[in-house]
Amino acid sequence: NAGVTQTPKFQVLKTGQSMTLQCAQDMNHEYMSWYRQDPGMGLRLIHYSVGAGITDQGEVPNGYNVSRSTTEDFPLRLLSAAPSQTSVYFCASSYSYTNYEQYFGPGTRLTVT
Amino acid sequence: GIQVEQSPPDLILQEGANSTLRCNFSDSVNNLQWFHQNPWGQLINLFYIPSGTKQNGRLSATTVATERYSLLYISSSQTTDSGVYFCAVERLAGNNRKLIWGLGTSLAVNP
Repeated sequence: NAGVTQTPKFQVLKTGQSMTLQCAQDMNHEYMSWYRQDPGMGLRLIHYSVGAGITDQGEVPNGYNVSRSTTEDFPLRLLSAAPSQTSVYFCASSYSYTNYEQYFGPGTRLTVT
Repeated sequence: GIQVEQSPPDLILQEGANSTLRCNFSDSVNNLQWFHQNPWGQLINLFYIPSGTKQNGRLSATTVATERYSLLYISSSQTTDSGVYFCAVERLAGNNRKLIWGLGTSLAVNP
């Protein structure tokens, strides 16, 4: 198993540009989530999904959209990038809502200028 | 909301030393995880431990849920143990679960 994969590893955007961060898992996990990690603030939950077709907001959802059309994929879309979205983004998955042990992807380092 | 506090915030060890990292939480939780973030940024889950003790090689963890703390023991530390150790507690939030993270303990192991 590849586990949780994320692309790209690094990205630089200009303010106002849009892009999609990709996340995929091959463990047949139901539960997937996106976090951002900023210095001194730990990890904060952006959006999550309890299964294909079901998504919900986390702590810091503004400026981000998600969809979950398949069990494997959970892309995160930045609609109009802002410098405040400069961060490291992690995708995570867990087997189910009741078995919540989280497995993380390698992260995407995003810089918005 | 629930508070998760980790101590110490920073720790420097000589290779071969032992250490104990602590995670305190302010309310009851469903579960608790320990993670290691290596110097390249990868987050690796170490333990999923709502209570009791688990061991994995040189690492072990103990959670005492009734007293609202967890400890991570690192024995015979190696330079590859360097990085940040996070504790995250799991809470029910309405119909869904949520991880609340501590700010981590930054560990440097010197050769």
